[in-house]
Amino acid sequence: DSGVTQTPKHLITATGQRVTLRCSPRSGDLSVYWYQQSLDQGLQFLIQYYNGEERAKGNILERFSAQQFPDLHSELNLSSLELGDSALYFCASSGGRTSGSYNEQFFGPGTRLTVL
Amino acid sequence: AQSVAQPEDQVNVAEGNPLTVKCTYSVSGNPYLFWYVQYPNRGLQFLLKYITGDNLVKGSYGFEAEFNKSQTSFHLKKPSALVSDSALYFCAVRDAGNTGKLIFGQGTTLQVKP
Repeated sequence: DSGVTQTPKHLITATGQRVTLRCSPRSGDLSVYWYQQSLDQGLQFLIQYYNGEERAKGNILERFSAQQFPDLHSELNLSSLELGDSALYFCASSGGRTSGSYNEQFFGPGTRLTVL
Repeated sequence: AQSVAQPEDQVNVAEGNPLTVKCTYSVSGNPYLFWYVQYPNRGLQFLLKYITGDNLVKGSYGFEAEFNKSQTSFHLKKPSALVSDSALYFCAVRDAGNTGKLIFGQGTTLQVKP
């Protein structure tokens, strides 16, 4: 158990809908990362938050957004869903005094999103 | 731009034999390299990392990795494979700049047969 929790485990929804994925980092970790894993794209970085502030952005679609709350949990919002958004979405957290820490990231179990 | 490549989609090895999973990298500046393992329907588990220092890095579950700057490689190794090592292995490099963003290779499936 990595200490990172993600809910829900599975999500099935229809095209055009909006969903919210939730992540709770390990106790004390200030950085939260979101990754998308799909068969065709592999494991892709989406976005990083550090202590409530956005610190890095990857290939995240404009239909996707995220935030980190004062209690450090994070939510990833996916809207106007398309079939191609079906994937496994991972949250990871890491410690360190800065957003650029060399500390390893600890991954949650993921949320499997299926868009029908 | 930082990148990693895992040249083998799958590696097959017999139980008890040594295993190697290959990774090469391309970075500007110093490389910060990681290995993760993913079991079916699970998240990624951290195995080991190279930040600086000794070129041979020891990690979890008996795995180690050898950093080779001249060959820009960071191969994962284990002296004696177990059937339970069968999983998907990812090499990753930390992106440049003041973030912890990881860039992953495409993954290598390790199959250890009894």
